[in-house]
Amino acid sequence: GAVVSQHPSRVICKSGTSVKIECRSLDFQATTMFWYRQFPKQSLMLMATSNEGSKATYEQGVEKDKFLINHASLTLSTLTVTSAHPEDSSFYICSARASSGREQFFGPGTRLTVL
Amino acid sequence: DQQVKQNSPSLSVQEGRISILNCDYTNSMFDYFLWYKKYPAEGPTFLISISSIKDKNEDGRFTVFLNKSAKHLSLHIVPSQPGDSAVYFCAASVTGNQFYFGTGTSLTVIP
Repeated sequence: GAVVSQHPSRVICKSGTSVKIECRSLDFQATTMFWYRQFPKQSLMLMATSNEGSKATYEQGVEKDKFLINHASLTLSTLTVTSAHPEDSSFYICSARASSGREQFFGPGTRLTVL
Repeated sequence: DQQVKQNSPSLSVQEGRISILNCDYTNSMFDYFLWYKKYPAEGPTFLISISSIKDKNEDGRFTVFLNKSAKHLSLHIVPSQPGDSAVYFCAASVTGNQFYFGTGTSLTVIP
């Protein structure tokens, strides 16, 4: 199947700093990428949908100025958590969908811990 | 409002037996459904899909059944293997756009 990578896999940062997470589709072009967040024992919650070359669409309750998403190319989307706080600690997962398909292929996720 | 529900948070099955994971949804417009498998600290892995024009899709040991009138889908794993132990999420969407996920069912296959 299609491969999606995320970097870094784990990151620990101090409160107030910014963290960038990369999501790459390795063997296909992803016209749409999704960013999810998962809290322990809860379902994946969609944060935002990004389409290459256009602004991301954020879900209700997600602060767009705090979670900056850039989908600069057909193989790369980035999520930047700005001025991170301990409550931002979570498991962030991206997924990518090719223009020809309906399945979403998920990255391995990034564990963010904010001290 | 949880549009996709997995009411069983956990399930234990003996190796070799059948595992049945259930999922209910509320939005009758959903027309595409997926099952994902997730190990701890990893992203979900796509398992199997089904569109609303079908009521069954089979891939090896995995079979997904869709009952549109009941708004219910299930995943059957047979025979179950210890390596199948993971959290299983069902997800639903309208025309393959935003997916709504259930809360997951943790499957433990006992050797």
